[in-house]
Amino acid sequence: GAVVSQHPSRVICKSGTSVKIECRSLDFQATTMFWYRQFPKQSLMLMATSNEGSKATYEQGVEKDKFLINHASLTLSTLTVTSAHPEDSSFYICSAQGRGLYSNQPQHFGDGTRLSIL
Amino acid sequence: LAKTTQPISMDSYEGQEVNITCSHNNIATNDYITWYQQFPSQGPRFIIQGYKTKVTNEVASLFIPADRKSSTLSLPRVSLSDTAVYYCLVGEGPGGYSSASKIIFGSGTRLSIRP
Repeated sequence: GAVVSQHPSRVICKSGTSVKIECRSLDFQATTMFWYRQFPKQSLMLMATSNEGSKATYEQGVEKDKFLINHASLTLSTLTVTSAHPEDSSFYICSAQGRGLYSNQPQHFGDGTRLSIL
Repeated sequence: LAKTTQPISMDSYEGQEVNITCSHNNIATNDYITWYQQFPSQGPRFIIQGYKTKVTNEVASLFIPADRKSSTLSLPRVSLSDTAVYYCLVGEGPGGYSSASKIIFGSGTRLSIRP
């Protein structure tokens, strides 16, 4: 089945640090990648949608200068949390969606990155 | 975007069949219905996807009535390892070669399986 690898799985760093999270589709080409964040006991909240080779589309309330997204190839997207602060601590999850001939392919998710800012 | 409504939580016992129903009254013609399973500190895992009638795979069945305003995920003979949160999602987008689905997660159903 489709495999999405997300790295790192856990990050602990000081306030003010920028953190980069990678999301890779290992066995398929991902035309679209999504980034979510999830707080404890809550559902996933979509942050942004990125298509290969174009700028990401951010959801309302998500600061694009704070959460930089790059989708440079069909297998890799990165999320950089710039100058992270304790309120940015969360579980970040990426997903990748391939392209089907006659229908949208379901999203396949990475295993998430637990970000803790001290 | 079609909003989904599902029970917040459900309890069952090992070996039982579990049916989780999701309402999506505003589903659009081109929307697909997808179910995901999520364990703590992991990303959601794809379970099943369908458009209408019935879809079955090795882990679950998905029943979709003719009006498509609801769907039911059926898990046969559950085990303790099926304890998780289950999300019903309705995908936006016309479908087809160059489009992408933007999916919004609802609150999900927290399923607890007891021995």
